[in-house]
Amino acid sequence: GQQVMQIPQYQHVQEGEDFTTYCNSSTTLSNIQWYKQRPGGHPVFLIQLVKSGEVKKQKRLTFQFGEAKKNSSLHITATQTTDVGTYFCAGQAGTALIFGKGTTLSVSS
Amino acid sequence: KAGVTQTPRYLIKTRGQQVTLSCSPISGHRSVSWYQQTPGQGLQFLFEYFSETQRNKGNFPGRFSGRQFSNSRSEMNVSTLELGDSALYLCASSFQENYGYTFGSGTRLTVV
Repeated sequence: GQQVMQIPQYQHVQEGEDFTTYCNSSTTLSNIQWYKQRPGGHPVFLIQLVKSGEVKKQKRLTFQFGEAKKNSSLHITATQTTDVGTYFCAGQAGTALIFGKGTTLSVSS
Repeated sequence: KAGVTQTPRYLIKTRGQQVTLSCSPISGHRSVSWYQQTPGQGLQFLFEYFSETQRNKGNFPGRFSGRQFSNSRSEMNVSTLELGDSALYLCASSFQENYGYTFGSGTRLTVV
């Protein structure tokens, strides 16, 4: 079945450093979505990428969708303590949205 | 508008029992998906419903079942509970596929 792999599993950074998480799918995706889950919370939708090679920005967050529509990345510039949480990518192929295992980001000030 | 509502928030059951979890999606959302979240396995897809039809099912045993009603509310049922079923069960609703999901706060199930 469809699998979505995400690396790294954990990342610790100093406040102000950059952070990147990578996502790879075993199948071509119709779209990829990114979610953030704060400790003790539930996943919250961040963004959806649909087009091959698409790049979207949300303030300090930059999202990319690969040309083959099988991989994606999320880059955070100059991390802040409010960025702490687990970032999930989720790939859609058909009607099921399959999540990666997430990258847990911790930030020390 | 109201978010996705899951009930109950917490549940403790004994091995061998069965449990029913409920999810009320955002008004107008006809797609409802269920996920099991555990520390080791992340978010694992259980099933997806659209207009009362199960369109997709994840790799879970037949003890896990669900349904969706005409008002888009959904329930999932787990029979013959095992210790390994202890997890956070999350429901998410969407207008349709290729739209972002809105998650509920989840039901924390503990099997003892």
